[in-house]
Amino acid sequence: KQEVTQIPAALSVPEGENLVLNCSFTDSAIYNLQWFRQDPGKGLTSLLLIQSSQREQTSGRLNASLDKSSGRSTLYIAASQPGDSATYLCAVGPTGTASKLTFGTGTRLQVTL
Amino acid sequence: NAGVTQTPKFRILKIGQSMTLQCAQDMNHNYMYWYRQDPGMGLKLIYYSVGAGITDKGEVPNGYNVSRSTTEDFPLRLELAAPSQTSVYFCASSYSGDRASNQPQHFGDGTRLSIL
Repeated sequence: KQEVTQIPAALSVPEGENLVLNCSFTDSAIYNLQWFRQDPGKGLTSLLLIQSSQREQTSGRLNASLDKSSGRSTLYIAASQPGDSATYLCAVGPTGTASKLTFGTGTRLQVTL
Repeated sequence: NAGVTQTPKFRILKIGQSMTLQCAQDMNHNYMYWYRQDPGMGLKLIYYSVGAGITDKGEVPNGYNVSRSTTEDFPLRLELAAPSQTSVYFCASSYSGDRASNQPQHFGDGTRLSIL
């Protein structure tokens, strides 16, 4: 059974700092890996999706990497801003399907002024 | 463009009552999903559907039922509400097909359900 772990559970950084969020998974037979953002009281917003054949994806100040062999992904946020404060979740999809995602418990990020 | 719409946003039920959580999407996505999110936990898949008339169980289906009569709608039914079903419920949808590997799931804003 796939298990997804996110460390740390919570993180507080001052504005402008670069930071890395970690995601690890136990079964390397994945279809893709997605990073989501969740604001309080809201649904999830997809940030980046990495296909199993890819090593990284970039969108603006965000960069996500994937190392299937070691079962790890990182989300790098450059020049953090207070508006980046949210919970960040990673999810992996099993081989052969984009459905049935397994989610981590998330990292709650606070960017302070 | 509404995306994924969930109703109601909040609801309080008594033990043993039943209700239907509504979900509709306007993106012509084939795949639709229901998740629940408990405090401090990741999302757990309840049921999903790959198209109208086709549904399948996820990780935590007990106590729930679904139907998919149209591409747009995917309601979730609780027949006999129990306190353990107190949670936030999210509906999502995604594209299926040759490009499915690079298509993310789109989520609604959730239904917050309390059972007392």
